[in-house]
Amino acid sequence: DIQMTQSPSSLSASVGDRVTITCRASQSIGSYLNWYQQKPGKAPKLLIYAASSLKSGVPSRFFGIGSGTDFTLTISSLQPEDFATYYCQQSYSAPLTFGGGTKMEIK
Amino acid sequence: EVQLLESGGGLVQPGGSLRLSCAASGFTFSSFAMSWVRQAPGKGLEWVSGISGSGGSTDYADSVKGRFTISRDNSKHTLYLQMNSLRAEDTAVYFCAKKYYYGSGSQYYFDYWGQGTLVSVSS
Repeated sequence: DIQMTQSPSSLSASVGDRVTITCRASQSIGSYLNWYQQKPGKAPKLLIYAASSLKSGVPSRFFGIGSGTDFTLTISSLQPEDFATYYCQQSYSAPLTFGGGTKMEIK
Repeated sequence: EVQLLESGGGLVQPGGSLRLSCAASGFTFSSFAMSWVRQAPGKGLEWVSGISGSGGSTDYADSVKGRFTISRDNSKHTLYLQMNSLRAEDTAVYFCAKKYYYGSGSQYYFDYWGQGTLVSVSS
């Protein structure tokens, strides 16, 4: 199975900050990488697919980049509604796997 | 509007069984693969099982293989997860999720999720 490792596991930041989350795959997955946002008690929501494609309706402050084994999700200017947990997910090979999550908290 | 509505969760004793359902609407159900993804309390997301649009192809995580069975009834627009021999470590919120394939057809993401149903396994 492909292991997905996210860092950091938690992050404290302020509104307006630029933040970056990293996701590393245990083997090359090309650009088969998706990012989801999850708020407490809610289902995950897709933000970015194919490593860098923004889902329609997602604010442009979210930016994804990467290929192979190393990927990043950047939020250019944190907004209050962005405080949530973020997960990466590979769709390169079965079984699909998720990263452990990055919980973003208000400083 | 796409909607996925899970039901069937609850408290069950270790070794017991439970069947989850996911009622789908707002899209051509039979055209899309579906999956179950779970989340233990305070933990991350774990894929559990997936099924093709026709129901002819299924897959399972090693942690549930031989105990869980995924199925679908396309005439009823409903996805199921039969869970047998339940263990404490199966305690989680179970989400159903719709798979969307794009590009050459090998890449996909989950574009819609249900609100989840809680399964608690405890004596």
